[in-house]
Amino acid sequence: GNSVTQMEGPVTLSEEAFLTINCTYTATGYPSLFWYVQYPGEGLQLLLKATKADDKGSNKGFEATYRKETTSFHLEKGSVQVSDSAVYFCALGNTGANSKLTFGKGITLSVRP
Amino acid sequence: DVKVTQSSRYLVKRTGEKVFLECVQDMDHENMFWYRQDPGLGLRLIYFSYDVKMKEKGDIPEGYSVSREKKERFSLILESASTNQTSMYLCAYGTSGEETQYFGPGTRLLVL
Repeated sequence: GNSVTQMEGPVTLSEEAFLTINCTYTATGYPSLFWYVQYPGEGLQLLLKATKADDKGSNKGFEATYRKETTSFHLEKGSVQVSDSAVYFCALGNTGANSKLTFGKGITLSVRP
Repeated sequence: DVKVTQSSRYLVKRTGEKVFLECVQDMDHENMFWYRQDPGLGLRLIYFSYDVKMKEKGDIPEGYSVSREKKERFSLILESASTNQTSMYLCAYGTSGEETQYFGPGTRLLVL
């Protein structure tokens, strides 16, 4: 079945550091891939998505590229801010019609001033 | 912006109580989902629904049931709450044919 593996956390960075959060997946077909972010005390928000191989999703300075050959969708940001402190979830969609998502376990990012 | 609201942000219940968690979306979206979120386990799907009066089990339906009498409202029911159901519960909606889901703020439930 479908699965998502995220790198182990938590991750602590200094402000303006470069961020990479790894995500790999196992799936049949060509699923859509997502990154969601959860700020403290809130629900999940869609951060970015990509629907086919080599697509790049981007939002708020974050980017991720759908790499079919390595089954990966790593999240990157060139210069993190304290306000980026949150939990980040990678997810993949089903290629069937039922719109279910499979989530990774999430990783907590803390950015210190 | 479409909004999804959950009836409570925090809830404290006793073991054995029947618990209702309500989720309401303010548009005509077909798909609705209930997840629980636990540290180290990520999000796990409890139940979902693609239309009024229909429901399907997710990955961890045991101990839960759902109700969808109106399109905008999807209720999660804990028939007899237990301490291992202490968790954060997240509701989400989506549009038919689209995989993107949009989440409510969550309900943090503590069962004593």
